[in-house]
Amino acid sequence: GAGVSQSPSNKVTEKGKDVELRCDPISGHTALYWYRQSLGQGLEFLIYFQGNSAPDKSGLPSDRFSAERTGGSVSTLTIQRTQQEDSAVYLCASSPSRGYNNEQFFGPGTRLTVL
Amino acid sequence: GQSLEQPSEVTAVEGAIVQINCTYQTSGFYGLSWYQQHDGGAPTFLSYNALDGLEETGRFSSFLSRSDSYGYLLLQELQMKDSASYFCAVYTGGFKTIFGAGTRLFVKA
Repeated sequence: GAGVSQSPSNKVTEKGKDVELRCDPISGHTALYWYRQSLGQGLEFLIYFQGNSAPDKSGLPSDRFSAERTGGSVSTLTIQRTQQEDSAVYLCASSPSRGYNNEQFFGPGTRLTVL
Repeated sequence: GQSLEQPSEVTAVEGAIVQINCTYQTSGFYGLSWYQQHDGGAPTFLSYNALDGLEETGRFSSFLSRSDSYGYLLLQELQMKDSASYFCAVYTGGFKTIFGAGTRLFVKA
């Protein structure tokens, strides 16, 4: 079946521009996560959605970052006034709410480069 | 603060056994997961330990000691395709998972 998809796969933008990253989770998965991974680093938790609500936004690095989820499905992560330090791979994952093993299914990521 | 410690790199020979350790210090603990990530790829789930002891899945096993805040991933009969980064991750509750920085495994012929 279809896995988690993300678009675009690559995004190059100029400093100061806004970008929008999209995530399509696995159908039926109610939990959705956004992570950021800098080159050679671990995964930095950004935000989590249960359905359309985000009970934990503590990981968002600054108020330039926002995210929403509609219809309990697609999610968008928006970065306003991008900075060079925002360059990273942004990964989305979904899970069937509280699976017994907490397995998260990851998408291929969006590689963001801010010039 | 919350932290997970794992070695940055491990090198082993094809056919050998390798153990990747993970120690954690988190405000909450529900379970320890392991993920594999090949270069340019997405992390994929390997295992989850909620209780103390060893869980075996084919060539991979994962161990947890909650009293020691410690776990490890054991890879047996190493193959070249096992060359990848391996992340330990703690589910702290509230649907939040904290990932370690990853261990890069190099498998040599």
